[in-house]
Amino acid sequence: DAGITQSPRYKITETGRQVTLMCHQTWSHSYMFWYRQDLGHGLRLIYYSAAADITDKGEVPDGYVVSRSKTENFPLTLESATRSQTSVYFCASRRRQGLHYNEQFFGPGTRLTVL
Amino acid sequence: ELKVEQNPLFLSMQEGKNYTIYCNYSTTSDRLYWYRQDPGKSLESLFVLLSNGAVKQEGRLMASLDTKARLSTLHITAAVHDLSATYFCAVDHETSGSRLTFGEGTQLTVNP
Repeated sequence: DAGITQSPRYKITETGRQVTLMCHQTWSHSYMFWYRQDLGHGLRLIYYSAAADITDKGEVPDGYVVSRSKTENFPLTLESATRSQTSVYFCASRRRQGLHYNEQFFGPGTRLTVL
Repeated sequence: ELKVEQNPLFLSMQEGKNYTIYCNYSTTSDRLYWYRQDPGKSLESLFVLLSNGAVKQEGRLMASLDTKARLSTLHITAAVHDLSATYFCAVDHETSGSRLTFGEGTQLTVNP
């Protein structure tokens, strides 16, 4: 039972380069999320998705692009990385049960450094 | 807009002592979650509180939910060093759909 995985776990890139962070979950959860975590800012939602081909902006979407062609995958792309995007990125998923949502599970995170 | 506030944000305590972390939220909700995050690690689900009066306990941690007061507490009994971590509460609200609203986190340090 792999759960939710992220790759790479660590990434160093340069300003202006495109970077894609991968997220994969094996639970068939409908809902997936991308957060970034920075000191002093807690968790901030970047994008989320309710199902394949349905995505929506979160709190801090600028500079990021997402896609979701398959339920289990939710890649996050930084089209032109900037130093301010140096952060730890967490992917998460949850499912809906009736009128409510179940608890949310987090991936192990990707530590991204932009030089 | 739903707001979730935790206090304290930083807590340093001695082993063997008791303490409580508070999570206040601004609008009606009856679903609250507690997470633990160790340094350099991801968030791990601790407790799921789904109704008013819900109480969950695991080891030295006990969480409760008072939806009328819009308050959840995480009580630590006889703290040990292994409890040192950051604790987050998160709240569901119908206007937020599938998105949880997180508190800022409480960084707990338990000193020998």
